[in-house]
Amino acid sequence: ELKVEQNPLFLSMQEGKNYTIYCNYSTTSDRLYWYRQDPGKSLESLFVLLSNGAVKQEGRLMASLDTKARLSTLHITAAVHDLSATYFCAPFNAGGTSYGKLTFGQGTILTVHP
Amino acid sequence: GAVVSQHPSRVICKSGTSVKIECRSLDFQATTMFWYRQFPKKSLMLMATSNEGSKATYEQGVEKDKFLINHASLTLSTLTVTSAHPEDSSFYICSAPRLGEGYEQYFGPGTRLTVT
Repeated sequence: ELKVEQNPLFLSMQEGKNYTIYCNYSTTSDRLYWYRQDPGKSLESLFVLLSNGAVKQEGRLMASLDTKARLSTLHITAAVHDLSATYFCAPFNAGGTSYGKLTFGQGTILTVHP
Repeated sequence: GAVVSQHPSRVICKSGTSVKIECRSLDFQATTMFWYRQFPKKSLMLMATSNEGSKATYEQGVEKDKFLINHASLTLSTLTVTSAHPEDSSFYICSAPRLGEGYEQYFGPGTRLTVT
């Protein structure tokens, strides 16, 4: 059974600072997704990481995937208030009857303040 | 990008009644759709996989007789919460993966169910 751990679960950042959210998962997965969720809303896709060593950047966010270490990171550069949200990672289940399912991390609640 | 819709977005019902939630893929066909529920300040938990033309598969601990899933066509899956109780109040979200795009899942906007 695929287990996913994100840390930190709560992140309070000052505007302009950098920080990294970590996503560790327990079994082999060759792809991973990052999502953003605003209060009361559904998920917004941020990144699709499809292979080992994949790195993607969009604005102040950069995500990477190391399938050998079973680790993905979401790096925030020079945070701004608009980035305040909950961030989820979700590795892809590639095995057997679980194929195609996503297992979500607990989520990281990010608050950016002045 | 691909769009998935859900209807209704919000529903309030009385205990003991049933509620149907629709999930549609608007610009692609989805032989598989997934149903999740999310409690406040918690993560998403997969409830079941909806399969077009066959029975849904339910995750451990999810009552299949309570949460009825029907995948009526390649663009529509429905979740019916039968004999709803206040503990069924939650945010229900569906998703549909699109083949050929890294199997990325596109999420619907969610349905907020409140059972009084």
